[in-house]
Amino acid sequence: DIVMTQSPDSLAVSLGERAAINCKPSQSVLYSSNNKNYLAWYQQKPGQPPKLIIYWASTRESGVPDRFSGSGSGTDFTLTISSLQAEDVAVYYCQQYYSSPYTFGQGTKLEIK
Amino acid sequence: EVQLVESGGGVVQPGGSLRLSCAASGFTFDDYAMHWVRQAPGKGLEWVSLINGAGGSTYYADSVKGRFTISRDNSKNSLYLQMNSLKTEDTALYYCAKDRNDYGDQASDYWGQGTLVTVSS
Repeated sequence: DIVMTQSPDSLAVSLGERAAINCKPSQSVLYSSNNKNYLAWYQQKPGQPPKLIIYWASTRESGVPDRFSGSGSGTDFTLTISSLQAEDVAVYYCQQYYSSPYTFGQGTKLEIK
Repeated sequence: EVQLVESGGGVVQPGGSLRLSCAASGFTFDDYAMHWVRQAPGKGLEWVSLINGAGGSTYYADSVKGRFTISRDNSKNSLYLQMNSLKTEDTALYYCAKDRNDYGDQASDYWGQGTLVTVSS
């Protein structure tokens, strides 16, 4: 199974500042035949289901603000929020869909400093 | 508008069984794979199972393999999870989620609100 390790576990950032969350799969999630990274990022606010924000490691889901961006390849990925807004407070999860079981990271709790 | 509505959760004793359902609307159901994902109280997300659009391919997390069975009825736009030999560690909010494609090898773009399963004596 692919183990997904996120860092940090929690993060406090001032409004308007940059936030970055890392995700490291235990093996590469880059599929060589199509050069796509099988990695997604989800945002979960309290009492709500997860919301897809990034897929293919860097493709923003429709309607997601452009302050959210994803980067990385293989075994090293980053979710970046360029200018933190109050509504971005949430827990963020990465997930690999390269191979079953489609494992999630443990989550990173993002708060306002 | 895509809607996923889970039902069937409840309180069950260890060793018992429960069948979850997910009613889908707003998209062509059999064109998309579907997932079950669970979240224990105060914990993170755990992927549970996947079924492809036609229903012929299924996948499971090791923690539920042999105890849970995923299925779908495309004529009823419904997804199911039959859970047998339930353990206390199966206590969680169970979400159904739609995949972005038929095979299930993409991200989950729509999620239901979840149904709570509590396994307790």
